[in-house]
Amino acid sequence: DTGVSQDPRHKITKRGQNVTFRCDPISEHNRLYWYRQTLGQGPEFLTYFQNEAQLEKSRLLSDRFSAERPKGSFSTLEIQRTEQGDSAMYLCASSLNQGAKAGGYNEQFFGPGTRLTVL
Amino acid sequence: AQKVTQAQTEISVVEKEDVTLDCVYETRDTTYYLFWYKQPPSGELVFLIRRNSFDEQNEISGRYSWNFQKSTSSFNFTITASQVVDSAVYFCALRSLYSGGTSYGKLTFGQGTILTVHP
Repeated sequence: DTGVSQDPRHKITKRGQNVTFRCDPISEHNRLYWYRQTLGQGPEFLTYFQNEAQLEKSRLLSDRFSAERPKGSFSTLEIQRTEQGDSAMYLCASSLNQGAKAGGYNEQFFGPGTRLTVL
Repeated sequence: AQKVTQAQTEISVVEKEDVTLDCVYETRDTTYYLFWYKQPPSGELVFLIRRNSFDEQNEISGRYSWNFQKSTSSFNFTITASQVVDSAVYFCALRSLYSGGTSYGKLTFGQGTILTVHP
């Protein structure tokens, strides 16, 4: 399977604990995105990377959230001191950005998500 | 700021009926892409169609067609001869095309429309 993969698929934790999620993008993709989706809502953008550089962060990404993509390949999203409001599906997507010469279009392919439940 | 509105929360049809999903968007950017994604019960977002802002030609792809009207900021999606397997949540999304845009890189999603196709 050469699609976007995420691990774990499900995570149940107690309030106050730290959790870390991993995303493995499609191998040649240089962009990686994190989104959060709560029940009954559309995904909301959290942050994205071009290679190892984090280029944009949403206001939704509080100080308790940190994302890394150390070698420009896989990425991790860590939530510290989890709260019940953090319960959501965390989606990762990747794309190949070829710049303006290619028309600027880069379709995002999504992974299956990690469903977080904070008790 | 960008915004996508899907006014229909749920739609229920009988198999073989045609169904249209509505989408209205707001953006200050002059160049952007519009998308429709499908999210089946498994949770993974599946790309369906995209349209760029400078091409208002409407197209048909198999059982899918879309009606893009820039004058009314609408991007409606039609499934012809619906099937039970079309049952899913459908999301409309918006993305700026160039780095000069206000929200370059990220997708802004609507709230989603739950489509149920009964046999």
